[in-house]
Amino acid sequence: RKEVEQDPGPFNVPEGATVAFNCTYSNSASQSFFWYRQDCRKEPKLLMSVYSSGNEDGRFTAQLNRASQYISLLIRDSKLSDSATYLCVKEDDYKLSFGAGTTVTVRA
Amino acid sequence: EPEVTQTPSHQVTQMGQEVILRCVPISNHLYFYWYRQILGQKVEFLVSFYNNEISEKSEIFDDQFSVERPDGSNFTLKIRSTKLEDSAMYFCASSEGSTGYTFGSGTRLTVV
Repeated sequence: RKEVEQDPGPFNVPEGATVAFNCTYSNSASQSFFWYRQDCRKEPKLLMSVYSSGNEDGRFTAQLNRASQYISLLIRDSKLSDSATYLCVKEDDYKLSFGAGTTVTVRA
Repeated sequence: EPEVTQTPSHQVTQMGQEVILRCVPISNHLYFYWYRQILGQKVEFLVSFYNNEISEKSEIFDDQFSVERPDGSNFTLKIRSTKLEDSAMYFCASSEGSTGYTFGSGTRLTVV
């Protein structure tokens, strides 16, 4: 089983829409989780950390469900600039494990 | 904002040649990493480096790979005898601890 699995999408949404997607992870002992954003052929950039209590950063909401071992990301009021690949990432012992990414395209 | 600097941005090399990819991590960071991303695939961990030694390496990081911190600022990845399948984007990253990773903009390695 892959360490981190994501729905690859693509999610094609109009501007202003809400889009949400999940990822699942295999190691129940993993403690730290993140969402990264990657634009085409660029480096991954941290979008936000993910906490069990759920956390929000502007239009972005992340949630961690340890019992079911999944992480979610919700984007409200989508902007054209949100078009990117979103990477679900977990950290174990100073090693990041990346999912393959979920592609989101926001259209005008 | 501090950044991780990688050079060159693109390297083309012949199969069997040695390449050295260079990185300058953020100055007060203590942990250094190399990751790679083959085109169309996920980002994969190669190696982590702390206190002047390798702390962990993946199965990908075989005897053909080595890392070095030759001075107080640079962190290098050497591939001794490149293969076609080494073609990928190589990202250097650094962190203060187990969070706060910053990635460099990457070196695209093309082996021909």
